[in-house]
Amino acid sequence: NAGVTQTPKFRILKIGQSMTLQCTQDMNHNYMYWYRQDPGMGLKLIYYSVGAGITDKGEVPNGYNVSRSTTEDFPLRLELAAPSQTSVYFCASSVVYEQYFGPGTRLTVT
Amino acid sequence: AQRVTQPEKLLSVFKGAPVELKCNYSYSGSPELFWYVQYSRQRLQLLLRHISRESIKGFTADLNKGETSFHLKKPFAQEEDSAMYYCALVETSGSRLTFGEGTQLTVNP
Repeated sequence: NAGVTQTPKFRILKIGQSMTLQCTQDMNHNYMYWYRQDPGMGLKLIYYSVGAGITDKGEVPNGYNVSRSTTEDFPLRLELAAPSQTSVYFCASSVVYEQYFGPGTRLTVT
Repeated sequence: AQRVTQPEKLLSVFKGAPVELKCNYSYSGSPELFWYVQYSRQRLQLLLRHISRESIKGFTADLNKGETSFHLKKPFAQEEDSAMYYCALVETSGSRLTFGEGTQLTVNP
């Protein structure tokens, strides 16, 4: 199993641009999550999903959107990039409690 | 609201010395607590969970409900233990994890 994969690994965006961060898992997990990791701030939950077709907001959802059309995929959309969205983004999946993380996407907005 | 606090952002010890990474939590119910670790240039991974009462890589953590703490301990630190450590809590009725801010552990030779 590849586990949780994320693309791209790195991206630089200009202010106001849009992009989608891709996340795929091959473990047939129902739960999926998006976090952002800022230096000294730990991980903050952006959005999560408990199954295909069901999504919900986490702590810091503003400026992001998600969809969950399949069990495997959970893309994160940034519509109008802002410098405050410069961060490392992690996707994760789980069955119950243990979460499996992807390698992360480092995003810079200038 | 549930909250996890890791009071030390940075912790530095010498190889062979004992190490303790502190974690305190606030949660009104009965929590499930975890330690996750992120080695340099690697993805975050589960180190241990309190319900399994395991020792992983020499690390142990005991849940102290009276002090609402879940400190991570190792009697003899190794250089390969250098990493970022996150304490996390999940409400027993759900799956969402709440993470602490992390402690960067450096083990010096």
